[in-house]
Order: sequence, then structure tokens, then C-alpha cells
Amino acid sequence: KAGVTQTPRYLIKTRGQQVTLSCSPISGHRSVSWYQQTPGQGLQFLFEYFSETQRNKGNFPGRFSGRQFSNSRSEMNVSTLELGDSALYLCASSLYPSGSSGQETQYFGPGTRLLVL
Amino acid sequence: TQLLEQSPQFLSIQEGENLTVYCNSSSVFSSLQWYRQEPGEGPVLLVTVVTGGEVKKLKRLTFQFGDARKDSSLHITAAQPGDTGLYLCAGEAMNTGFQKLVFGTGTRLLVSP
Repeated sequence: KAGVTQTPRYLIKTRGQQVTLSCSPISGHRSVSWYQQTPGQGLQFLFEYFSETQRNKGNFPGRFSGRQFSNSRSEMNVSTLELGDSALYLCASSLYPSGSSGQETQYFGPGTRLLVL
Repeated sequence: TQLLEQSPQFLSIQEGENLTVYCNSSSVFSSLQWYRQEPGEGPVLLVTVVTGGEVKKLKRLTFQFGDARKDSSLHITAAQPGDTGLYLCAGEAMNTGFQKLVFGTGTRLLVSP
């Protein structure tokens, strides 16, 4: 079974631009979560989607948005990029959404490394 | 806001040494997970502990969940260079739908031959 895939793996943008990142979950997984990882703040939760609906959202500005398609693939978009948005963006998929059992396992993709100049 | 503090932040040891990484919080978690992340990759789940006081062993790695489910530890016996990586604990918050996992600050381990 293929793992979580994320595209692109690396991306360089300039301030003010927007970016769209893509995540394909493990086949059969319907929950997709996005995280931002930086050296200073560590891993921070962005949002979670399940069955095309956003279920949870972290404490990020409205410039960060996402969506999920009927095939469970997910995209996240960051508009008006700032230097501080430079980070590794990780996507994780799981069978069940948060709160389902307390023990669902998340499988992470390799991430998209975004550099904003 | 639920925070998970890990200590130490950095650890550089020689092959064969033992080490312990701690993960502490003032909040109670319904479960706690440990991940290892290698450069250029996403975190990989090592173990999930659910019951207070639970101890799980994975080869040379021993994980313990505190009795009050607020803290956890990871002990590695006879560390090997292949253990090098970033170790992250992550707690699943109780009775909340706002956040799936709260991640710890991370412990970067370097094991030299």
C-alpha cells in the first residue's frame, strides 16, 4: 500500500505570492491533517479534513486555507506569503477523524519544504 | 493551550550509551504517541500509550506513560547510530475537538559510532 504523498517536495516563492500544496492520503484513509513545522515553533496543527469537511482548525491566520476532494486528496493554500511562512508543511492521513477512538494512527508524508524569499 | 515540553532539547552520545527523553505537560492526555523524524522525511510513529502507568517496549526502546497521563518518557538502551533523529512526543487532548495532536518541542538525538 502506497504511503502519503505530497507534491511538490520543494518550493521557492517570493513574498506576496500564493502557493498551493497537495497531499494524497493512503488509499482508504478519509481524514487528512496539515501541520507546519519550523525550527522555532516545532510542529503546529493547521487543520483537519474528513469527508470534504473541515473538522478542526489550528491557530493560524485566514491566509492559510485548505480543502478536500471527494477522493480524499487534499490541498492547502497560503495566500500573500510572508517570510515567516517558510517551513516544512506536513500532511498526515488516518482512517478515522479526531475524537473517533482516541487511538487513531496518523501516517505522515515526507512534507513540502517551502522557502519564501 | 496544551503544551508538551521535551527534555533535553539536544543529546549527543556515543554508540552503546543509554539515554532517556522526557515529555512533560500540565494537561491530561487521552493518549500519547512517540515519533521519530529523520531529515527530509515526515515523522514516523513509534508507539502509542493509552493507559496511565503503561509501559511498552520496542526492541531497545522503552516507553512509559505517567500514572496521571500528563507525562511520558522514552528510554533507549545501547544506542546505535541508526537511532539518530528528532524524537517527538504528541498528546491527543481529552474532550476536545479543536486539535488532533499537540506535539512536543522535540529532542534531537545524535549517536556517534
